[in-house]
Amino acid sequence: EIVMTQSPATLSVSPGEGVTLSCRASQSVGRNLAWYQQKPGQAPRLLIYGASTRATGIPARFSGSGSETEFTLTISSLQSEDFAVYYCQHYKNWPPWTFGQGTKVEIK
Amino acid sequence: QVQLVQSGAEVKKPGASVKVSCKASGYPFTNYAIHWLRQAPGQSLEWMGWVHGGNGNTRYSQTFQGRVTTSRDTSANIAYLQLSSLRSEDTAVYFCAFVGDGSWFAFWGQGTLVTVSS
Repeated sequence: EIVMTQSPATLSVSPGEGVTLSCRASQSVGRNLAWYQQKPGQAPRLLIYGASTRATGIPARFSGSGSETEFTLTISSLQSEDFAVYYCQHYKNWPPWTFGQGTKVEIK
Repeated sequence: QVQLVQSGAEVKKPGASVKVSCKASGYPFTNYAIHWLRQAPGQSLEWMGWVHGGNGNTRYSQTFQGRVTTSRDTSANIAYLQLSSLRSEDTAVYFCAFVGDGSWFAFWGQGTLVTVSS
């Protein structure tokens, strides 16, 4: 089973600032990686798939990059609605699909 | 637009079973699988299994093998998750999700809270 590790666990950021979240896979997943945003009491929302393709309706301030074992999600200028928990998930050699433990982006 | 609507919250005693439903719309139900995932309080997401809407094929995570059953009703476009021998550690929000033509979870149900408590 591929283990996904995200860092840091928490990021404290001011609105308008940019932020970069990291995700590492225990073995190569190519570009078979997705990012999700989850707000309290809600289901996750797909942001990025294929490591860098934004899902329908996702603003351009969200961008993904990376391949093999190292990936990043960048939010260029945080809006109030972006404060949430972000998860990465691989989809290579499934099942199982596995997720990282999440990075919480909180208001500084 | 794909929509997944799940059944309401459940409270169960240890050792009991729970069955959660997920009504799908906005796509041809029999062409795709519905996946089930769960999220314990304050934890990440965990994939549990899937059921194909058309042929009824299933696949489960080894973590839940023997305790989980997924099924579907093609006449009503509903997928089901049943988890047996419940224990307190099964307290979680259970989600259904649609993968479609990709391999990522593109659409999600709203979640169903299952609480296991004596």
